[in-house]
Amino acid sequence: KAGVTQTPRYLIKTRGQQVTLSCSPISGHRSVSWYQQTPGQGLQFLFEYFSETQRNKGNFPGRFSGRQFSNSRSEMNVSTLELGDSALYLCASSSGTDSYEQYFGPGTRLTVT
Amino acid sequence: SQQGEEDPQALSIQEGENATMNCSYKTSINNLQWYRQNSGRGLVHLILIRSNEREKHSGRLRVTLDTSKKSSSLLITASRAADTASYFCATDPRWAGSYQLTFGKGTKLSVIP
Repeated sequence: KAGVTQTPRYLIKTRGQQVTLSCSPISGHRSVSWYQQTPGQGLQFLFEYFSETQRNKGNFPGRFSGRQFSNSRSEMNVSTLELGDSALYLCASSSGTDSYEQYFGPGTRLTVT
Repeated sequence: SQQGEEDPQALSIQEGENATMNCSYKTSINNLQWYRQNSGRGLVHLILIRSNEREKHSGRLRVTLDTSKKSSSLLITASRAADTASYFCATDPRWAGSYQLTFGKGTKLSVIP
């Protein structure tokens, strides 16, 4: 099976702009989770989607949002970018039901200038 | 906030030696997982241990879990240069969904050939 794919891999944006990141899970997986990784805060959970519904949400401001489509592909959006949003954004997929192991994509490196 | 804390933060060993990393966490959990990350890339799932298990093996990996002490250890035997990476423990606290992982800050392992 193909692994989790994320696009784009690298992105440079300016403060105040918005950005949309995309994630395609492993075929058959219905759960998609998003994480932010920074040197200071480490890996932090953003949200998890299962069958197009947000099932869990981390402690991030409302500027961070996401959605999942009927084919399980997911997007996350960050509006009004701040310098502190510079990070590696990782997407992970899982079956969402009988297995808790998560399979991560390579990440999108976002730089906000 | 971080649920897990790995110890040590960095570890440097010679190829062929064993590497032991420890993880402590704060709340009751469903499962504990270990992941590996090669420099700035996606995470790779290594092993999952359930809260009712005490020890688990997978190839050169051995994981123990002590729920009374809220701690886990990962042992990599006969290390190889290819094991050089950061290792993270991840927990899914009982109060959260099982697909909402909380990661520690990781142990950076360097295996010297």
